Amino acid sequence: EVQLVQSGAAVKKPGATMKISCRVSGYTFTDFYMHWVYQAPGKRPEWMGQIDPEDGATVYAEKFQGRVSMMADTSTDTAYMELSSLTSEDTAVYYCATVGSTVRTPHNWFDHWGQGTLLTVSS
Amino acid sequence: EIQMTQSPSSLSASVGDRVTITCRASQSISRYLNWYQQKPGKAPKVLIYTASTLQSGVPSRFSGSGSGTDFTLTITSLQPEDFATYYCQQSYNTPLTFGGGTKVEIK
Repeated sequence: EVQLVQSGAAVKKPGATMKISCRVSGYTFTDFYMHWVYQAPGKRPEWMGQIDPEDGATVYAEKFQGRVSMMADTSTDTAYMELSSLTSEDTAVYYCATVGSTVRTPHNWFDHWGQGTLLTVSS
Repeated sequence: EIQMTQSPSSLSASVGDRVTITCRASQSISRYLNWYQQKPGKAPKVLIYTASTLQSGVPSRFSGSGSGTDFTLTITSLQPEDFATYYCQQSYNTPLTFGGGTKVEIK
């Protein structure tokens, strides 16, 4: 059974940095891109970026360029997403999600999701 | 960035009803369109990928169609467990983008 287990909820102050982990099991970590998606309360999901765990190559959404960093530790089958310079607009649930096909293109779908990590940014 | 527009944003329906949700892309995305169902407090769940392929384990009352810029998700006979929010998502290019969602409520 494929599982993606994320780290727990966090409360951060404006300007801080947060790091979320996503540990996978049930499949070969390096076979599929890992994506990060965030969803503000009552809003549509938004794609933040992706990482290829095989070689660490990343693609980030322009909205988060310069503030986001995605990493993959193949020794522990864990993906990480770090977001810096937090503001109240970053208050959201953050999901890791892997895809349904091994193709190395955007032509894919989010097949398995983590349970989500709630980040609250408040002074 | 490809903009995805869903309609309606919400609808009320009864168990057994046929429900149709539409999704329009701001440019042609071929058939690279996925549909998700999301329930409160849960992650989205894929229903349909590449416009019309039913994800394994998803009931056959769900179907998808379309290509280019216009797509449709149909639920042929709404069941109690189908009351949720539905999102389309384009996978033609990055940044991957989602529609604004359609909330299906009980009439």
